[in-house]
Amino acid sequence: AQSVTQPDIHITVSEGASLELRCNYSYGATPYLFWYVQSPGQGLQLLLKYFSGDTLVQGIKGFEAEFKRSQSSFNLRKPSVHWSDAAEYFCAVGNALGGAQKLVFGQGTRLTINP
Amino acid sequence: DTGVSQNPRHKITKRGQNVTFRCDPISEHNRLYWYRQTLGQGPEFLTYFQNEAQLEKSRLLSDRFSAERPKGSFSTLEIQRTEQGDSAMYLCASSWRGTAYEQYFGPGTRLTVT
Repeated sequence: AQSVTQPDIHITVSEGASLELRCNYSYGATPYLFWYVQSPGQGLQLLLKYFSGDTLVQGIKGFEAEFKRSQSSFNLRKPSVHWSDAAEYFCAVGNALGGAQKLVFGQGTRLTINP
Repeated sequence: DTGVSQNPRHKITKRGQNVTFRCDPISEHNRLYWYRQTLGQGPEFLTYFQNEAQLEKSRLLSDRFSAERPKGSFSTLEIQRTEQGDSAMYLCASSWRGTAYEQYFGPGTRLTVT
C-alpha cells in the first residue's frame, strides 16, 4: 500500500537559516508528490507538486523540493526561513487505486522558528 | 474564485447527537473529497464525489457517517450518534477532473464531542 513517512515530528530552526524537511514515500509506480502547509486551525495550502519532468520543483513562498527516485524521497527545502514559515508541513502521495485519486499524507512535521 | 468554504468552522456536540457539516467547493471543480484529521496526524481520506456520484468510501467511514452531494455542487457530511472518537478536524477538498490530484482544501470543521 502507498505510504508516506516524515521522519521528523518537530524541527526548530533560527530565522534566516536554511531548512530541509524530509519525506520518504512507498509507491509502486511513478508517484505524484505534494507538499502542503497548515497554519494552526487552518486548512491545507498547496506549496508545490511533482508529476513528472524536472526533478527539482519550485513552489510558492520560496520553497522547492527535489524528487529522488533512487531514495524514494521528496524533501522540501528553503534557503532562508522567515518567522511566518512556522507551521505544520505535510508531504503527500497521490493514490489512484479505486479511481478516487486521493491523497495519502504523512503525519506531518511541525516547524518552529527561533527569532 | 473564493476558494473552498466549510461551515460551521467549529462544532461542539454531546455524545449521541447528530451533526451535519457543509462544504462548498470551488465552482468549476467537479471532484470533491472529505478527509478527517486527528490531532498530530495527517489527513485521512474518507470519501470522494465526482459530480453528484459518490464513487469511493474509506473503511474509516462507518455506517454512522453519510455524505451527499446533490446536484454536484455543495456537499454535506452527517455523523449520526456521535462518539468521542469522532472528535477531529473534517476537511473538504475539491479538484478539477484534469488535475484531480491538485486538491484545494477548505479551512475545515473542527468537531468536539463531549
